[in-house]
Amino acid sequence: GQQLNQSPQSMFIQEGEDVSMNCTSSSIFNTWLWYKQDPGEGPVLLIALYKAGELTSNGRLTAQFGITRKDSFLNISASIPSDVGIYFCAGRKTSYDKVIFGPGTSLSVIP
Amino acid sequence: DTAVSQTPKYLVTQMGNDKSIKCEQNLGHDTMYWYKQDSKKFLKIMFSYNNKELIINETVPNRFSPKSPDKAHLNLHINSLELGDSAVYFCASSQWAAKGTEAFFGQGTRLTVV
Repeated sequence: GQQLNQSPQSMFIQEGEDVSMNCTSSSIFNTWLWYKQDPGEGPVLLIALYKAGELTSNGRLTAQFGITRKDSFLNISASIPSDVGIYFCAGRKTSYDKVIFGPGTSLSVIP
Repeated sequence: DTAVSQTPKYLVTQMGNDKSIKCEQNLGHDTMYWYKQDSKKFLKIMFSYNNKELIINETVPNRFSPKSPDKAHLNLHINSLELGDSAVYFCASSQWAAKGTEAFFGQGTRLTVV
């Protein structure tokens, strides 16, 4: 079935560093989503992207919808301890398709 | 007010038992979902209901039966529980095919089958 790949699988960074992660698909998507999951909680939507090339920010987070429509990127600037968690990308081929989730990137921030 | 609430939060039960998980949303969304998250944190959709009608039914054993009495509720009943059913089950809701209203998740139900 359709799969998304996320890299890196996990990251350990120092507080204050910037973070980059990406998500790729073998199919073209019309929607890319980025969610964050804190331990013991459900995923929370961070950013939604609906147009190729779109660049959207949410505080220190910035995400981009790749021009090929087969990838997306998430950057976190000046990381803080509460950024710890699992970041999931998710995509949808059309507005009427199910959302498929990537395997997640686990982020650890060292104070 | 909790937007998507699931009960119970934790469920420990023996193999072979039948159990139910309940979900309610107060966001006015017309679509609800059940996702399963395994021990490797992989999130996989199981079912989706739109206006009480089943629209997504992934390859899930027929021991799992969702029921949606109305748009705001989606329950999951599991018969003859097996060890491999142990996972975290998330309920979510959204407005179908509407940009800007993506899935909003509940806190999850951690099911442990012993």
